Amino acid sequence: GEDVEQSLFLSVREGDSSVINCTYTDSSSTYLYWYKQEPGAGLQLLTYIFSNMDMKQDQRLTVLLNKKDKHLSLRIADTQTGDSAIYFCAGTSGGSNYKLTFGKGTLLTVNP
Amino acid sequence: DVKVTQSSRYLVKRTGEKVFLECVQDMDHENMFWYRQDPGLGLRLIYFSYDVKMKEKGDIPEGYSVSREKKERFSLILESASTNQTSMYLCASSLAGVPETQYFGPGTRLLVL
Repeated sequence: GEDVEQSLFLSVREGDSSVINCTYTDSSSTYLYWYKQEPGAGLQLLTYIFSNMDMKQDQRLTVLLNKKDKHLSLRIADTQTGDSAIYFCAGTSGGSNYKLTFGKGTLLTVNP
Repeated sequence: DVKVTQSSRYLVKRTGEKVFLECVQDMDHENMFWYRQDPGLGLRLIYFSYDVKMKEKGDIPEGYSVSREKKERFSLILESASTNQTSMYLCASSLAGVPETQYFGPGTRLLVL
């Protein structure tokens, strides 16, 4: 099945860019996703990228996909303290379109 | 806005008790999911359902069962709670189709003593 790996912690200063990295194993994932979890809350979908795209930009968020290396990254420009959260990457697994496999999550801490 | 609600935010139960966690979504979604979230392990899928009365095992179904009698409601049942089931339980729902956008409830933090 799909295995999704990401680093567990990232600390940045307010106003800097944050880059959260993820690697995955299942190349059949049609879409790859980034979810955000704020303290005490469930996950919310931030953005997603179709597997035949290299890049997707959505306001302060940029997703880069390197299919050859099975590497996905999320860049947050001008990081704010409100961006402090856990970020999960996820892909579909086993040919299913709705069974997601999540990484362990990256805790982003934004320091003033 | 899609709303996924879970019956309790916090729950304390004793070992051996039968525990019901309820999840309700209001957007007529076909798919519903139960995950557990543990520090250092991320989210792991317990069960999911793609239609009423239909269910499929996820990655860690042992010790759990589910029920989906109505489209909007998906229940997770711990037949005999054990201390290793102390965790955060997250319910999610999604519309059939791609991309797979799952909407999550706020979670139930279960402590089994």
